Amino acid sequence: GENVEQHPSTLSVQEGDSAVIKCTYSDSASNYFPWYKQELGKGPQLIIDIRSNVGEKKDQRIAVTLNKTAKHFSLHITETQPEDSAVYFCAANAGGTSYGKLTFGQGTILTVHP
Amino acid sequence: NAGVTQTPKFQVLKTGQSMTLQCAQDMNHEYMSWYRQDPGMGLRLIHYSVGAGITDQGEVPNGYNVSRSTTEDFPLRLLSAAPSQTSVYFCASSRDSSYTFGSGTRLTVV
Repeated sequence: GENVEQHPSTLSVQEGDSAVIKCTYSDSASNYFPWYKQELGKGPQLIIDIRSNVGEKKDQRIAVTLNKTAKHFSLHITETQPEDSAVYFCAANAGGTSYGKLTFGQGTILTVHP
Repeated sequence: NAGVTQTPKFQVLKTGQSMTLQCAQDMNHEYMSWYRQDPGMGLRLIHYSVGAGITDQGEVPNGYNVSRSTTEDFPLRLLSAAPSQTSVYFCASSRDSSYTFGSGTRLTVV
């Protein structure tokens, strides 16, 4: 089955700095890679995703890059703000299933210091 | 739209008790799933359903049952609660891999 590894487990940055979180996956059939943000006491919320036919996708201050050859993808947050502090999860769709069946990474606790 | 609604938000059970965690979505999504979240382990898939009448096991299905009689509802049943099932449970629905999660049920088994 799919295995997703996420690093680092914790990340502390100063406001205005950039933050990068990296994930690797094992299943070469995976073709959908979302990122979720989870705030305290809430469910995960989709913030950005990428499919295997593109290498990079941007949405304002966040971007995701994908290297299918190396089986890794990364989340980049620029100009971080205190409200970016949360737990971030990467995921991959096991077996390339169209309906999802996501396998998640272990999560990264991001803290942005004012 | 309410999205994905989970009830209850909190529950304490004694070992051996049974209960049902409710999940309902109003987005007409075909795909629904249950995850449990434990510290340092991310979210692990318990059971999932690709449509009404169809369910399948995920990564950690033991001790849990599901059914999908309608598109909207996907309840999760704990047959005989154990302390190892203490966790936060999330229900999610999707149409094309883009998941919408509920706000979770925090379950403690004593």
